[in-house]
Amino acid sequence: AQSVTQLDSHVSVSEGTPVLLRCNYSSSYSPSLFWYVQHPNKGLQLLLKYTSAATLVKGINGFEAEFKKSETSFHLTKPSAHMSDAAEYFCVVSLKGGATNKLIFGTGTLLAVQP
Amino acid sequence: GAVVSQHPSRVICKSGTSVKIECRSLDFQATTMFWYRQFPKKSLMLMATSNEGSKATYEQGVEKDKFLINHASLTLSTLTVTSAHPEDSSFYICSARDLPGSDYGYTFGSGTRLTVV
Repeated sequence: AQSVTQLDSHVSVSEGTPVLLRCNYSSSYSPSLFWYVQHPNKGLQLLLKYTSAATLVKGINGFEAEFKKSETSFHLTKPSAHMSDAAEYFCVVSLKGGATNKLIFGTGTLLAVQP
Repeated sequence: GAVVSQHPSRVICKSGTSVKIECRSLDFQATTMFWYRQFPKKSLMLMATSNEGSKATYEQGVEKDKFLINHASLTLSTLTVTSAHPEDSSFYICSARDLPGSDYGYTFGSGTRLTVV
């Protein structure tokens, strides 16, 4: 079965320092993986997605993620955190099932950015 | 880009009444729409998947008679919480996809905060 595990429920960084949000996946086949961001009381915004093309995926707002099959990981990184990056981040895997693929969400990582 | 409009953004209702939440795809035809529920400080839980013109498929543990989903057109899906109770208070989010069986094109609405008093 497909699933994702976000290893950290909370991450705190200082503004201007690198961000690393960890995600490991479990899948019986090559998965499609996504990172979404959610600001308080808002919907979800897609940061980036991996769908079996390049393993290093660049997203919006300076975020990127690398698909590592050997480590079953899809960690999200950003070289320099900005105050506006403070939000909840979800790692998501697509559960393929016929014509209807479902998204399976990780438990989320709350990113705090300190001034 | 694709936009999904969800309305209302906030609603407060009395216990025992019903509430309807709308999810519209504004510039594309959504063959599939998804409804999620998010508890405070928790992840999103998929409630049901609806395809235009057919009955919704509910996830295990979700009461289909309580959470009525209608996907009458390619641009509109509605979720009706019937006989709402305080435990139904939550953040509900819809998502729409334009390509069947594709991992592209998931667009989320901005969510509805439901409070049942």
